[in-house]
Amino acid sequence: DIQMTQSPSSLSASVGDRVTITCQASQDISNYLIWYQQRPGKAPKVVISDASILETGVPRRFSGRGSGTHFTFTISSLQPEDIATYYCQQYDNLPLTFGGGTRVEIK
Amino acid sequence: QVQLQESGPGLVKPSETLSLTCAVSGYSITSGYYWGWMRQSPGKGLEWIGTVYHRGSTYYNPSLENRVSISIDTSKNSFSLRLNTVTAADTAVYYCGRLEPGGIGSGYFKHCGQGTRVTVSS
Repeated sequence: DIQMTQSPSSLSASVGDRVTITCQASQDISNYLIWYQQRPGKAPKVVISDASILETGVPRRFSGRGSGTHFTFTISSLQPEDIATYYCQQYDNLPLTFGGGTRVEIK
Repeated sequence: QVQLQESGPGLVKPSETLSLTCAVSGYSITSGYYWGWMRQSPGKGLEWIGTVYHRGSTYYNPSLENRVSISIDTSKNSFSLRLNTVTAADTAVYYCGRLEPGGIGSGYFKHCGQGTRVTVSS
């Protein structure tokens, strides 16, 4: 199985801050990497696909970079509505595996 | 726009079988895509359970493979999850979804249902 190591597990930042989350894959997954946003009590929602493609309707303050084994997810200017837990997921190989999640809070 | 809705018992006894159905609207399952299930245990992260192709091929998480089955009901435009011999560790919110394809059996959950909470308890 491909292990997805996500860090940090939680972070607290101020409105307007730049926030970066890292996801490390245990083997090369090319760009088969997704970032989900999950608000409390809601289903996960795709924010970034194929490591760096912003989903339609998602604000441009969200971005993703990386390929191979190292990936980053950035919110350029944190907003109150961004409070959520963010997960990465690889789909290069079965079983599909997820990172442990990063809980983002407002300071 | 495809929409998915999970349904099934919210409480299952230990050692019994968990059965959930995902009703799909806005798209015919037989037209394409992979359809799948994932779950989220209380306070925990996400776990992929398995995927079914619109033509019936199935792919399961090895951690659950001996207990799980996913099937399609074309007459109802739905697909179902059965998980046998459940324990408290199977208590979770279960999500169904349509996967944007990657490789064979693979992909990501582009469209999800709202989730259904299942508790395993006597």
